[in-house]
Amino acid sequence: DIQMTQSPSSLSPSVGGRVTITCRASQSISNYLCWYQQKPGEAPRLLIYSASRLQTGVPSRFSGSGSGTDFTLTISSLQPEDFATYYCQQSYNTPHTFGQGTKLEIK
Amino acid sequence: EVQLLESGGGLVQPGGSLRLSCIASGFRFSGYAIWVRQAPGKGLEWVSSISANDESTHYADTAKGRFTISRDISKNTLNLQMNSLRAEDTAIYYCARGYCVGTTCGNFDSWGQGTLVTVSS
Repeated sequence: DIQMTQSPSSLSPSVGGRVTITCRASQSISNYLCWYQQKPGEAPRLLIYSASRLQTGVPSRFSGSGSGTDFTLTISSLQPEDFATYYCQQSYNTPHTFGQGTKLEIK
Repeated sequence: EVQLLESGGGLVQPGGSLRLSCIASGFRFSGYAIWVRQAPGKGLEWVSSISANDESTHYADTAKGRFTISRDISKNTLNLQMNSLRAEDTAIYYCARGYCVGTTCGNFDSWGQGTLVTVSS
């Protein structure tokens, strides 16, 4: 099985700041990597797929990069509504494993 | 509008069974689909998938032998039959649709709101 290691587990950034979350796969997954945002009591929301493609309706301050084993989610200018938990997921094969999550907390 | 709506969750005793359903609207639910769960205060865990073309099924080790994924095209519904339930199966269960070739997927773009399963005596 492919293991997904996400870091950090939590962050306390400031509004307007830049946030970077990393995700590492235990073997190459090409660009089959998705990023999700989840707020309390809500279902996950797809932000980025194929490592760098922005899902329709997602603000352009979100971006993704990487291929192979190392991936990054960047939020260029953090907004109050972005405080949430973010997960990466490999969609290369089953089991479609998730990272452990990164919680953005208000400082 | 594309929507997925799960149902069937509830309180069940250890060793019991539940059948979850996920009804789709706004599209034909004949493609790749997954079940994902989230235990209270924990992260997301992929549980099971069903493929589009050959209806092949895949399971997490934690679900293998106990859970069965299936679909009813006539009702546009995805199902998850869960048997021999354990306390550690307590979670919110989400369904989602995927765009995949075999088990390699571009994305899982639409998710239901989830249904809570509680396994407790």
